[in-house]
Amino acid sequence: GAVVSQHPSWVICKSGTSVKIECRSLDFQATTMFWYRQFPKQSLMLMATSNEGSKATYEQGVEKDKFLINHASLTLSTLTVTSAHPEDSSFYICSARDGTGINYGYTFGSGTRLTVV
Amino acid sequence: GQQLNQSPQSMFIQEGEDVSMNCTSSSIFNTWLWYKQEPGEGPVLLIALYKAGELTSNGRLTAQFGITRKDSFLNISASIPSDVGIYFCAGRPDSGTYKYIFGTGTRLKVLA
Repeated sequence: GAVVSQHPSWVICKSGTSVKIECRSLDFQATTMFWYRQFPKQSLMLMATSNEGSKATYEQGVEKDKFLINHASLTLSTLTVTSAHPEDSSFYICSARDGTGINYGYTFGSGTRLTVV
Repeated sequence: GQQLNQSPQSMFIQEGEDVSMNCTSSSIFNTWLWYKQEPGEGPVLLIALYKAGELTSNGRLTAQFGITRKDSFLNISASIPSDVGIYFCAGRPDSGTYKYIFGTGTRLKVLA
């Protein structure tokens, strides 16, 4: 089945630094990837839709300059949290859509827990 | 962002009992997905529903796509301790977008 690898699984960084999170589709080509943020005991909130070779589409209220998304290939999307602050601490999860269009059940990565101190 | 209403928010049940949860929306969806998330992990797909009225099973799990296309239901029969987790529904709006909107989640705890 489709597998999505997300790295790192957890990261602690100092306030003001930037953190990059990678999301890879291991056995399929992901034309579209999605980035979610999940605060403790809350649901997944979509941050942005990432399409290979084009600019990401951000949801309302998500700062595009703070959360930089790059989808340079059909198997890799990255999310960079720039100038991170403690309020950015959260669980970030990516998901990928199989480019064949048959599988509508998007596959999720295992998530990255970001702690900004 | 937009969310789906999911109920109940949490459930404490005895092992062996059946569980029911549902997800409702004020707008139409053309695909419903049910996921399970365990602590510190990403959600794992349980069941996908593509047509109104569709009833699909995956082992002890059964999910239905409501005929109004505004709701979906998930049932778990004969619950076991490993069913513990948070269950999320996710709906794809009928607008042709590939985005999914997630429900608020149902936290399930099973008492042995």
